Amino acid sequence: EADIYQTPRYLVIGTGKKITLECSQTMGHDKMYWYQQDPGMELHLIHYSYGVNSTEKGDLSSESTVSRIRTEHFPLTLESARPSHTSQYLCASSDGGAGSPYEQYFGPGTRLTVT
Amino acid sequence: KNQVEQSPQSLIILEGKNCTLQCNYTVSPFSNLRWYKQDTGRGPVSLTIMTFSENTKSNGRYTATLDADTKQSSLHITASQLSDSASYICVVSDRGSTLGRLYFGRGTQLTVWP
Repeated sequence: EADIYQTPRYLVIGTGKKITLECSQTMGHDKMYWYQQDPGMELHLIHYSYGVNSTEKGDLSSESTVSRIRTEHFPLTLESARPSHTSQYLCASSDGGAGSPYEQYFGPGTRLTVT
Repeated sequence: KNQVEQSPQSLIILEGKNCTLQCNYTVSPFSNLRWYKQDTGRGPVSLTIMTFSENTKSNGRYTATLDADTKQSSLHITASQLSDSASYICVVSDRGSTLGRLYFGRGTQLTVWP
């Protein structure tokens, strides 16, 4: 069982609200990731981090922002939620890199609904 | 364009039966291929990881195969159980970047009936 946690698990919020999705891992992994997944569709990388104070945008354009002030914590923030942000958000972490078959551990996800 | 295609999109089998899921990819340069199991409302959990030199790997009742020449992989599930009902996702990693990008398929939704 992976030690990576996400809160809240479910969130229903109105348009225009600011939200922060929390992600924490206790494995000491340097690399962390945020993915977005719609039903029946593939996961899309929206943000990643190589370590503290390192954040990069992923393949899928997202209006969200992330921060990495501590190794174990990688929160995702939406300044003004819109119905188009309705999706499942998955956080992951790993301790490897390119060329190595590193394991990527996923959190349980946050199901966000914006009304 | 790097892509991962899975088939079938969905599959229903009876408990105790075997099944095989397929994955074709165009990701290059290839690093490794993984199969994940994702229960409804949960994050994916890794079943197997195979590198270029490996052509088969087992994890209990799950056996994955890889043909790097034809860029195809399969996941065989033996003696299915009700708990096998989930989405099975094929993921291919490239080695063309420091991050080691992961390319995800859309998954095969497996339903096991009693």
